[in-house]
Amino acid sequence: AQKITQTQPGMFVQEKEAVTLDCTYDTSDQSYGLFWYKQPSSGEMIFLIYQGSYDEQNATEGRYSLNFQKARKSANLVISASQLGDSAMYFCAMRGSTLGRLYFGRGTQLTVWP
Amino acid sequence: KAGVTQTPRYLIKTRGQQVTLSCSPISGHRSVSWYQQTPGQGLQFLFEYFSETQRNKGNFPGRFSGRQFSNSRSEMNVSTLELGDSALYLCASSLAGKITDTQYFGPGTRLTVL
Repeated sequence: AQKITQTQPGMFVQEKEAVTLDCTYDTSDQSYGLFWYKQPSSGEMIFLIYQGSYDEQNATEGRYSLNFQKARKSANLVISASQLGDSAMYFCAMRGSTLGRLYFGRGTQLTVWP
Repeated sequence: KAGVTQTPRYLIKTRGQQVTLSCSPISGHRSVSWYQQTPGQGLQFLFEYFSETQRNKGNFPGRFSGRQFSNSRSEMNVSTLELGDSALYLCASSLAGKITDTQYFGPGTRLTVL
């Protein structure tokens, strides 16, 4: 089975600053994918970034980057130059051998203040 | 390309009733997954359909069922509603549900059981 742990229930960051959201995972699968999603108060889950277990380089998508440390089983999301619109719940998720199923952490509520 | 759509967006039902939720995936996506999100339990996997077959199922009672049609559209049904079924129900689609396939989510159906 897979397990995702997000230890930060809430994080606060000032606009234009960078912030790191933590995610650790546990799996016995050799091949897996790691995903980050953003969920604003409206409820829709918005895909942000993906990292494959065999990817040698950390994934980047615009202001989002993933700090992937395979030996430590961590996949932290880094948001650079935070914006007020980044305020939302952020979920780390993984998919392993169970096709079609994502395992989610409990999420981190990010608040960006001016 | 149109995103994942879910109907209805909001539902209010009473205990004992049944409800059907609908999900239309992104064109070309053949895997559809359903999740239940509550404040207490977080995001929980219900089931996943691929090419009209249920491929994986989460740990939910038999009152929760689903199906997928030949055009990949999916429905989920909850019979004999209980108060605890009040939740945001999210549908997600991906190409084939593989490790590297990103799941894209719909806006969700918010179900309230009175």
